[in-house]
Amino acid sequence: EAQVTQNPRYLITVTGKKLTVTCSQNMNHEYMSWYRQDPGLGLRQIYYSMNVEVTDKGDVPEGYKVSRKEKRNFPLILESPSPNQTSLYFCASSLSRTGNSPLHFGNGTRLTVT
Amino acid sequence: AQSVTQPDIHITVSEGASLELRCNYSYGATPYLFWYVQSPGQGLQLLLKYFSGDTLVQGIKGFEAEFKRSQSSFNLRKPSVHWSDAAEYFCAVAGSGTYKYIFGTGTRLKVLA
Repeated sequence: EAQVTQNPRYLITVTGKKLTVTCSQNMNHEYMSWYRQDPGLGLRQIYYSMNVEVTDKGDVPEGYKVSRKEKRNFPLILESPSPNQTSLYFCASSLSRTGNSPLHFGNGTRLTVT
Repeated sequence: AQSVTQPDIHITVSEGASLELRCNYSYGATPYLFWYVQSPGQGLQLLLKYFSGDTLVQGIKGFEAEFKRSQSSFNLRKPSVHWSDAAEYFCAVAGSGTYKYIFGTGTRLKVLA
């Protein structure tokens, strides 16, 4: 089944404790992206990647890192999480890098930083 | 500036009633337009998309949307709502040759039995 898989689904952590949220897609998509969803703000892009070893900042990249060593994986790293990073996070992928292909989303990771 | 506006934060309709969710966009180039639905605890699922051609597009679950270039709108419609349609709906825009998808803030739909 074609899908984007995120883990974990839920994560509670403390300020400053490094964490990684994994994302994997099995559709051979070139484009992958991370979003955070906050009430009243919709989805905001954190980072995106157009191919292996090619990543770039989205609208809200501060406090986050990503890597794209393999085409299928695009982990999101919070090296020193803070409470303002409490949010619902989505990984997404797309066949095309040029906007004419819909995004496929994972089921989300709800992160709480205390 | 590129943006997507969904003016209705919440909408409540009775089961069997018709539905229209509004979406207005601001985009310099020819836009690609999408509607996604998010059920509780789930990711976003594509309902329909518009790239070119017929301005009335059909999607899954009985939804349709109409692209009106003159009004910069892409409203989502359904003739008869089912209780299972209760969810949050997001409009999004992307452009030719760009990697950027811009989302609206969402409209939460409640369906009364």
